[in-house]
Amino acid sequence: SQQGEEDPQALSIQEGENATMNCSYKTSINNLQWYRQNSGRGLVHLILIRSNEREKHSGRLRVTLDTSKKSSSLLITASRAADTASYFCATAGVDSNYQLIWGAGTKLIIKP
Amino acid sequence: NAGVTQTPKFQVLKTGQSMTLQCAQDMNHEYMSWYRQDPGMGLRLIHYSVGAGITDQGEVPNGYNVSRSTTEDFPLRLLSAAPSQTSVYFCASSYSTATLQEQYFGPGTRLTVT
Repeated sequence: SQQGEEDPQALSIQEGENATMNCSYKTSINNLQWYRQNSGRGLVHLILIRSNEREKHSGRLRVTLDTSKKSSSLLITASRAADTASYFCATAGVDSNYQLIWGAGTKLIIKP
Repeated sequence: NAGVTQTPKFQVLKTGQSMTLQCAQDMNHEYMSWYRQDPGMGLRLIHYSVGAGITDQGEVPNGYNVSRSTTEDFPLRLLSAAPSQTSVYFCASSYSTATLQEQYFGPGTRLTVT
């Protein structure tokens, strides 16, 4: 069963604004991963953050992890039309038995 | 490198038919997996493999079989297609099995069962 939950389910912002998506999970993790999926395409890995890390950056992306609250956030700064996509978090649990647990995703729309 | 490839891209089946979805990767990854994605939902794991000759069930394995005879290939077989199997199917691979790392995804197969 899906243990990751993401909010909001959908987010629509103006180009140039920042977008923040949140992910919550239920079990102890080794790492948490964020992926992007453009409409009708496969998923693309964005960032992996380990359980002993609190923040990670990659270009315009910033991911934070709070293991005490079992939550993570993905911030996209200075959004562009090309950022329009669905964003998913996935967790590699300590007891995951080789299975990533996925959230249902946040659909992000960037308005020009 | 081609990465992860999947064939076919689209398929329409009648109820009761069987077929095999193909998946191949050229990155020498040990871990491979199959997911299905239904509208508005995240991914659900069907089967996975941690190496040639080793497969195991995921969250939703019923109605599907897999095999892993080589490191490169991981085909998914639908035994007797049902309308409930209408979905988009993704194959993914990863270099590590100790702790799951970055997954590389194929482009997907869109399957419709009538």
